[in-house]
Amino acid sequence: QQQVKQSPQSLIVQKGGISIINCAYENTAFDYFPWYQQFPGKGPALLIAIRPDVSEKKEGRFTISFNKSAKQFSLHIMDSQPGDSATYFCAASITGNQFYFGTGTSLTVIP
Amino acid sequence: KAGVTQTPRYLIKTRGQQVTLSCSPISGHRSVSWYQQTPGQGLQFLFEYFSETQRNKGNFPGRFSGRQFSNSRSEMNVSTLELGDSALYLCASSLRPAGRGNTIYFGEGSWLTVV
Repeated sequence: QQQVKQSPQSLIVQKGGISIINCAYENTAFDYFPWYQQFPGKGPALLIAIRPDVSEKKEGRFTISFNKSAKQFSLHIMDSQPGDSATYFCAASITGNQFYFGTGTSLTVIP
Repeated sequence: KAGVTQTPRYLIKTRGQQVTLSCSPISGHRSVSWYQQTPGQGLQFLFEYFSETQRNKGNFPGRFSGRQFSNSRSEMNVSTLELGDSALYLCASSLRPAGRGNTIYFGEGSWLTVV
């Protein structure tokens, strides 16, 4: 059973456009929601994270929007660049417990 | 500061064999987690070790095992390899056990191909 459901599986965006990746969860005990970025041949790297008591967090061109009532959170990449082309994973965890990852979104930004 | 180091990076094994993968966490990190990454399933949690004790275990058969040493280095072992075990095995380390606000840092992984 997939604890965190991620969509879309793949995404193609023009340079300068907005990339949006969505995730949904069921377990209301989750208390930490990070996003990871993975380039080919590399391990995932933490991009940005949010706690459920915050509705939005922004770091540079990356923004997490969090909707606690809908049990959904999303990653927005503003002014998308070719260098953003990578696979993005959302995740969720409960303090002291394991991380559950989404199945990933392959983002391609076309110049 | 050196990152998470995993060895070997690439290996090919035959069905029925066993394999041992090694992970050296970031200096000072005492928690090590292992994940299996496949195209269809994404990242699946295998187990987590903290101070040489297994804290959590994912839903994998007993063929998958691990351990952590006193210097926080960790190994995972897969016995009686099956074709479906072909995957990228990722190790992640953190200062404290996984959870809220505690970032986990991944290594580059060990690519295992079972033929």
